[in-house]
Amino acid sequence: DGGITQSPKYLFRKEGQNVTLSCEQNLNHDAMYWYRQDPGQGLRLIYYSQIVNDFQKGDIAEGYSVSREKKESFPLTVTSAQKNPTAFYLCASSPEAPGLAGVEQYFGPGTRLTVT
Amino acid sequence: GENVEQHPSTLSVQEGDSAVIKCTYSDSASNYFPWYKQELGKGPQLIIDIRSNVGEKKDQRIAVTLNKTAKHFSLHITETQPEDSAVYFCAASLEGIASKLTFGTGTRLQVTL
Repeated sequence: DGGITQSPKYLFRKEGQNVTLSCEQNLNHDAMYWYRQDPGQGLRLIYYSQIVNDFQKGDIAEGYSVSREKKESFPLTVTSAQKNPTAFYLCASSPEAPGLAGVEQYFGPGTRLTVT
Repeated sequence: GENVEQHPSTLSVQEGDSAVIKCTYSDSASNYFPWYKQELGKGPQLIIDIRSNVGEKKDQRIAVTLNKTAKHFSLHITETQPEDSAVYFCAASLEGIASKLTFGTGTRLQVTL
């Protein structure tokens, strides 16, 4: 059963703690992405990775960090430097066919992080 | 960078009626325009997409139109059903190796009986 797995579905943390969100895909996709979704707003890109051991900042990378040590995994760490970490976090992947003008991104079910 | 505006933010239609959601984009270099449907508590799912070399695309009750000159594209859902109720997002991306999508702010569609 192919797809993207994000765990846990709900996560609660105290302010000042770092927290790592898991994202795993078995679609053999090269590219992976992390988005943040807030109520009434669209998805905003945090980080993306086109290939293992390489990643780039998105539009709102401050206070976040990522790693891409394996093709199928792209964990996101929300650090204590992120001022408003409470949000719905979505991971996605895409096959990244070179030369094709845009390819579909496949999304995971998301993790809702609440920081108090 | 790219900026995508989406209207309306909420839309209520009666079952069987049509629904239209409109988006505009700012970067004329954008050439890929997907539409995603997000049900409550789930991740978005692609429902239809269009590339800039095509003006219209249909898939059963769903169609998307693109006007490159005006830099806007629209989602049309005909014969709406209750299961169409969800949040719909448009997006735009630039040609390149990394598919960096810029999303609109979403439209909450409610189909009433």
